Amino acid sequence: EVQLVQSGAEVKKPGESLKISCKASGYRFTSFWIGWVRQMPGKGLEWMGIIYPGDSNTRYSPSFQGQVTISADKSISTAYLQWSSLKASDTAMYYCARGMTTLDYWGQGTLVTVSS
Amino acid sequence: DVEMTQSPLSLPVTLGQPASISCRSSQSLVYSDGNTYLNWFQQRPGQSPRRLIYKVSNRDSGVPDRFSGSGSGTDFTLKISRVEAEDVGVYYCMQGTHWPRTFGQGTKVEIK
Repeated sequence: EVQLVQSGAEVKKPGESLKISCKASGYRFTSFWIGWVRQMPGKGLEWMGIIYPGDSNTRYSPSFQGQVTISADKSISTAYLQWSSLKASDTAMYYCARGMTTLDYWGQGTLVTVSS
Repeated sequence: DVEMTQSPLSLPVTLGQPASISCRSSQSLVYSDGNTYLNWFQQRPGQSPRRLIYKVSNRDSGVPDRFSGSGSGTDFTLKISRVEAEDVGVYYCMQGTHWPRTFGQGTKVEIK
């Protein structure tokens, strides 16, 4: 059974760094792209970027390029989304999901709250 | 970016009645391999999104057959033949043809 299990909710202050994770199981991690999707409070879904764990090839939406970093660790079948300096506007639910032309399996979401 | 425009944004429906959601893209979603990568997702309140339809009209395993997808090029439709209470939520289209991938604004389906 394919599963994507994300790390728990985070509360951070503006300017702090953060790395959230998405652990995959039930399939060959290196053979499928994994993407990240943002959902701000009460808003719609926004596609952020995607990584192919097999070779770490990464594509970003221009809206998120330079604002976040997507990475993956093949040895533990885990993808990551990280920020070097959080802003209040980064407060949102973040989902990981599998796929390049589609998103067939989704994680449960990680709520990130940034507040002073 | 390819813009995905859904309508309506709010859809009150009577139980047992049909519902239809439109999704239009600003560019053709036909890829060079001949496939059209248009997806539909359902997000129930408090839940993660769930894929319903991929490549325009392919229903995911476990998705009731009252859900159907159709369309081509830039114009796509998700239909629910008879709305049930469990169908309440927000529905999104997403294109997987062009970079970056983009979602529609979402259509909120509620029961009248």
